[in-house]
Amino acid sequence: GAVVSQHPSWVICKSGTSVKIECRSLDFQATTMFWYRQFPKQSLMLMATSNEGSKATYEQGVEKDKFLINHASLTLSTLTVTSAHPEDSSFYICSARSSGREGLNEQFFGPGTRLTVL
Amino acid sequence: GQNIDQPTEMTATEGAIVQINCTYQTSGFNGLFWYQQHAGEAPTFLSYNVLDGLEEKGRFSSFLSRSKGYSYLLLKELQMKDSASYLCAAMDSNYQLIWGAGTKLIIKP
Repeated sequence: GAVVSQHPSWVICKSGTSVKIECRSLDFQATTMFWYRQFPKQSLMLMATSNEGSKATYEQGVEKDKFLINHASLTLSTLTVTSAHPEDSSFYICSARSSGREGLNEQFFGPGTRLTVL
Repeated sequence: GQNIDQPTEMTATEGAIVQINCTYQTSGFNGLFWYQQHAGEAPTFLSYNVLDGLEEKGRFSSFLSRSKGYSYLLLKELQMKDSASYLCAAMDSNYQLIWGAGTKLIIKP
């Protein structure tokens, strides 16, 4: 099956620092990757859609200068939370959509990254 | 607007059957997904329906009625490990997933 990894699994940082989260599709090529945020007991909230080789499309209310997304290759997308603050503490999850699977628009999720900003 | 509705929480007994309903309104439609999410973990794929009817996969089945904008996830022979949140998501015409808030399923012995 398709596997998506995320690194790191969890991170604790001081307020004002930047944190980079990596999302990799391990055994397939992903032309599109999605970044979600999930607060406790709430559903997934799509932050942005990342297409390989082009700028990410951000959802309304998500600051593109604060959440920098880079999708430089078909297997890697990164999310950088710049100048993180305690309110950015959340569970960040990426997903990848395979470009080569016929008839199925399934998204494969990474294991998530739990960010705690002190 | 686009909207997904599903119950917030359901309780069932181990060994029993439970049906989780989902209604959706989207701009275009490219399928309905069900995901399972255990606390503190990422969602895992359960099922995908794009045509009307019932798809059975082991203890889990998923049903879709496109004309009614309705789907359900049926879980049989419930086990304690089935305690989780079940997320309904509809894919719109832009192939974006519109997510429901999830149904927390509590299984009691």
